[in-house]
Amino acid sequence: QSVLTQPPSVSAAPGQKVTISCSGSSSNIGNNYVSWYQQLPGTAPKLLIYDNNRRPSGIPDRFSGSKSGTSATLGITGLQTGDEADYYCGTWDSSLSAGVFGGGTKLTVL
Amino acid sequence: EVQLVESGGGLIRPGGSLRLSCAASGFTVSSNYVTWVRQAPGKGLEWVSVIYSGGSTYYADSVKGRFTISRDNSKNTLFLQMSSLRADDTAVYYCARGAAGLDPWGQGTLVTVSS
Repeated sequence: QSVLTQPPSVSAAPGQKVTISCSGSSSNIGNNYVSWYQQLPGTAPKLLIYDNNRRPSGIPDRFSGSKSGTSATLGITGLQTGDEADYYCGTWDSSLSAGVFGGGTKLTVL
Repeated sequence: EVQLVESGGGLIRPGGSLRLSCAASGFTVSSNYVTWVRQAPGKGLEWVSVIYSGGSTYYADSVKGRFTISRDNSKNTLFLQMSSLRADDTAVYYCARGAAGLDPWGQGTLVTVSS
């Protein structure tokens, strides 16, 4: 059971938009920055979003992040087949004094 | 180029010990936060431990008292000493720069705990 809750799967057609939610509590998302990671099959995770809504250099603006209260959302527009991957949210939990991740969401581009 | 390369994984019997290494290049481990994350086969990411630039360390409850994170500044290398290993410690272990916003990640090293 993950501290952060994500939907197990989402799907959408190429060119469409999808959002992935990440729900937590005041001890984690509510008071700490959220980051998002993309893990393509057989590869290490890659940072997509940090500090709730900032993109590292090289990450296209099709990827966006937002946070409201104790929830965060990853948005992906202009879906491509190459976006098929597992997506994870992560943050710090001040009560646990530990990092935490969501359980991951598998994106299928139909 | 900032890069992290893990090593030290392998097959180990339950109750055994293993030390993982994470060699960094392109940045100085002593001036950065560095985190260990693991992923059991077919499962999601699990945060394991972090060492801050000042030397503070934090651990997941699942490994507290069994795992120790450390670094060798002269070798610019991070370590994860794992003891009293259990079957549920079987996973690919990744190191990554940062504490929040982990970037980049190493390629991972597989630890298999089995008799």
